[in-house]
Amino acid sequence: DIVMTQSPNSLAVSLGERATVNCKSSQNILSSSNNKNYLSWYQLKPGQPPKLLIYWASTRESGVPDRFSGNGSGTDFTLTISSLQAEDVAVYYCQQCYTAPFTFGPGTKLDIK
Amino acid sequence: QMQLVQSGPEVKKPGTSVRVSCKASGFTFSRSAVQWVRQARGQRLEWIGWIVVGTGNTNYAQQFYDRITITRDMSTSTAYMDLSSLRSDDTAVYFCAADPGYFDRGAYSPLFDSWGQGTLVTVSS
Repeated sequence: DIVMTQSPNSLAVSLGERATVNCKSSQNILSSSNNKNYLSWYQLKPGQPPKLLIYWASTRESGVPDRFSGNGSGTDFTLTISSLQAEDVAVYYCQQCYTAPFTFGPGTKLDIK
Repeated sequence: QMQLVQSGPEVKKPGTSVRVSCKASGFTFSRSAVQWVRQARGQRLEWIGWIVVGTGNTNYAQQFYDRITITRDMSTSTAYMDLSSLRSDDTAVYFCAADPGYFDRGAYSPLFDSWGQGTLVTVSS
């Protein structure tokens, strides 16, 4: 199975500042046939289902604010929130869909400093 | 619009089984893929398994392998997750999520952009 790790476990950032979450896969999740990284980022708030933010490592889902961006390839990925807003307080998860089981990272809790 | 509606909360005794349903609307169910994920209170998201709706092919996480069955009924656009031999640590919110465009993108790798509201399953004696 592909093991996903995230860092940091938790993060506190001031409003308007940048937040960066890291995700690492134990194996390459870049498809050689179409050059896509099968890595998604989700936002999870209490009492709500996960919300897809980013897929294919860097493609923003429709309706997601452009302050959210994803980057990386192969085994190392980042989610960046360029200017933190109060509504961004949540836990953020990465998930690989390169090969089943489609494992999640352990999550990164983001708070306001 | 695309929607997944899950069945209501369940309270079960240890050793019994539970079935959670996930009814899809707003997209062609037969061309989609569905995954099941759970979150115990205060814990991380845990992947359970998935089904390719058109073929019925499934894949399960190893820790559930002998207790989980994921099926679908294309006549009602509903996916099901059956979990048996329930234990107290199966208490969690269970989510289904769909990739409506799975086959349209070539059935290569799913991306799950539509989620159900979650179903709380409580296992308690």
